[in-house]
Amino acid sequence: GENVEQHPSTLSVQEGDSAVIKCTYSDSASNYFPWYKQELGKRPQLIIDIRSNVGEKKDQRIAVTLNKTAKHFSLHITETQPEDSAVYFCAAYDTGNQFYFGTGTSLTVIP
Amino acid sequence: ETGVTQSPTHLIKTRGQQVTLRCSSQSGHNTVSWYQQALGQGPQFIFQYYREEENGRGNFPPRFSGLQFPNYSSELNVNALELDDSALYLCASSSGLARLNEQFFGPGTRLTVL
Repeated sequence: GENVEQHPSTLSVQEGDSAVIKCTYSDSASNYFPWYKQELGKRPQLIIDIRSNVGEKKDQRIAVTLNKTAKHFSLHITETQPEDSAVYFCAAYDTGNQFYFGTGTSLTVIP
Repeated sequence: ETGVTQSPTHLIKTRGQQVTLRCSSQSGHNTVSWYQQALGQGPQFIFQYYREEENGRGNFPPRFSGLQFPNYSSELNVNALELDDSALYLCASSSGLARLNEQFFGPGTRLTVL
């Protein structure tokens, strides 16, 4: 089965700086890679996703890149704001109709 | 349009008991997925139901079972509860298979097994 690893587990940045979270996956057949943001005590919310036929996708301050050859994908947040503080999860969807989530990155943006 | 709802919010059971958790999908959604989220961990995929049929299952034993009803609401049943089953159980709905359409999560049911 698929195995998703996520790094780092915690990340602190100054407001206005960039944050990068990286995930690797093991199954080359996986074809959909969403990122979720989960604030304390709240439900996960999709913030951006990418499919295997695309190398990069951007939505305002958030971007995701995918390297299929190396089997890794990354979340980039620019101009971070205190409200970006949350736990971020990457996920991979394999051809067996299963989702695999990473272990999460706790991001703290320091004002 | 109503969002995804789950019941109950919290539940306490003892080891060996059985539990049923419920999820109402968002209006217009025909797919429900269930996840188990242990404290400090990422969600683990249990299974997905698409138009009342199981369509994908994670690495969970058969004592985890589910149903989807004609109105696309869903139940998760767990038999012979174990202490390690204590977790937040999330359901998510989508308008079609989750790999093709955005999933919307419910608030979760916090299950404690004593």
